Amino acid sequence: DIQMTQSPSSVSASVGDRVTITCRASQGLAGWLAWYQQKPGKAPKLLIYAASSLQSGVPSRFSGSGSGTDFTLTISSLQPEDFATYYCQQANSFPITFGQGTRLEIK
Amino acid sequence: QVQLVESGGGVVQPGRSLRLSCAASGFTFRNYAMHWVRQAPGKGLEWVAIISYDGTNKFYADSVKGRFTISRDSSKNTLYLQMNSLRAEDTAVYYCARDRGSWVLDIDYWGQGSLVTVSS
Repeated sequence: DIQMTQSPSSVSASVGDRVTITCRASQGLAGWLAWYQQKPGKAPKLLIYAASSLQSGVPSRFSGSGSGTDFTLTISSLQPEDFATYYCQQANSFPITFGQGTRLEIK
Repeated sequence: QVQLVESGGGVVQPGRSLRLSCAASGFTFRNYAMHWVRQAPGKGLEWVAIISYDGTNKFYADSVKGRFTISRDSSKNTLYLQMNSLRAEDTAVYYCARDRGSWVLDIDYWGQGSLVTVSS
């Protein structure tokens, strides 16, 4: 199974800050990496697919990069609605696996 | 718009069975692979199973293999998850989710979730 490790597990930031979350896979993913945002009591929402493609309707302050085993999600200027938990997910092979999540909190 | 509505959750005793349903609308159901993903209380996301657009291919997480069965009825635009031999560790919110394509393996739409509690 491919293990997905996110860092940090939690981060505190302020509105307007730039935040980067990292996801490392135990094997190469050939770019098949997605990022999701989840707010309490709600279903996850797709932000980024294929490592760097922005899902339709997602604000351009979200961006993804990386290849092989190392990937990043960047929020260029935090907005109040961005405080949530973020998950990466590998879409390269079965079983599909998620990172443990990164909780983004207001400083 | 795409809608996925789960039903069938509830409280069940260990060792018993439960079947979840997911009614899909707003898209051509037969063109997309579908997933079940679960989330235990206060925990992260765990992928459970996938079924291909035509129902011929299915994959499962090791934690549910041999106990859970994913299926679909495209005439009813409905996805199912038959859960047998339930354990306490199966307690979670179960999400029905649409693959971004016919077999892309990431997820672009999610249902609201259905809570399954396994407890005596």
